[in-house]
Amino acid sequence: GDSVTQMEGPVTLSEEAFLTINCTYTATGYPSLFWYVQYPGEGLQLLLKATKADDKGSNKGFEATYRKETTSFHLEKGSVQVSDSAVYFCALSVNDYKLSFGAGTTVTVRA
Amino acid sequence: NAGVTQTPKFRILKIGQSMTLQCTQDMNHNYMYWYRQDPGMGLKLIYYSVGAGITDKGEVPNGYNVSRSTTEDFPLRLELAAPSQTSVYFCASSFGGMRGANVLTFGAGSRLTVL
Repeated sequence: GDSVTQMEGPVTLSEEAFLTINCTYTATGYPSLFWYVQYPGEGLQLLLKATKADDKGSNKGFEATYRKETTSFHLEKGSVQVSDSAVYFCALSVNDYKLSFGAGTTVTVRA
Repeated sequence: NAGVTQTPKFRILKIGQSMTLQCTQDMNHNYMYWYRQDPGMGLKLIYYSVGAGITDKGEVPNGYNVSRSTTEDFPLRLELAAPSQTSVYFCASSFGGMRGANVLTFGAGSRLTVL
């Protein structure tokens, strides 16, 4: 079935460090890929998305590129801030109603 | 603009009790969803609805029921609560649409503990 595997956390970083969270997927169709973020005490919200191979999604300094050849959608940010502390979820969709989520990666940024 | 509103935020149940988690959205979204989030397990889809009067099972529907009598409301009913249903529950909604267009808006979550 369709699934997403993302790197386990937790990840702890210092402010201004580089962040990478790995995400790979398995899909029978041609999926769209998403990163959602969950800040403490809140629901998930869309961070960025990509709908076809080689697309790059970006938002709030975060980027991820849809790599069909490696079935990956890794999330990166060049310089993290304390406010980036959150849980990050990779997700995929192959139809118009269902998303499959990864297990989530907890990121803590220290000042 | 309230978005997706879930109540209650926290609840403790005894084994065998029943309860309903309420979910309301004011964005006129067609699609609504219930997910549960267990530590280290990501989100699992319980039920979803593509419009009023239409519901369907997700990955983990056992022990739950839903109804969709209006576009705005999508309550989740737990019958005969069990410890395995201890989790954080999220309601979400969207306009639907093909793949990348289907962006979900989530509620803040309801933390349920069954003792």
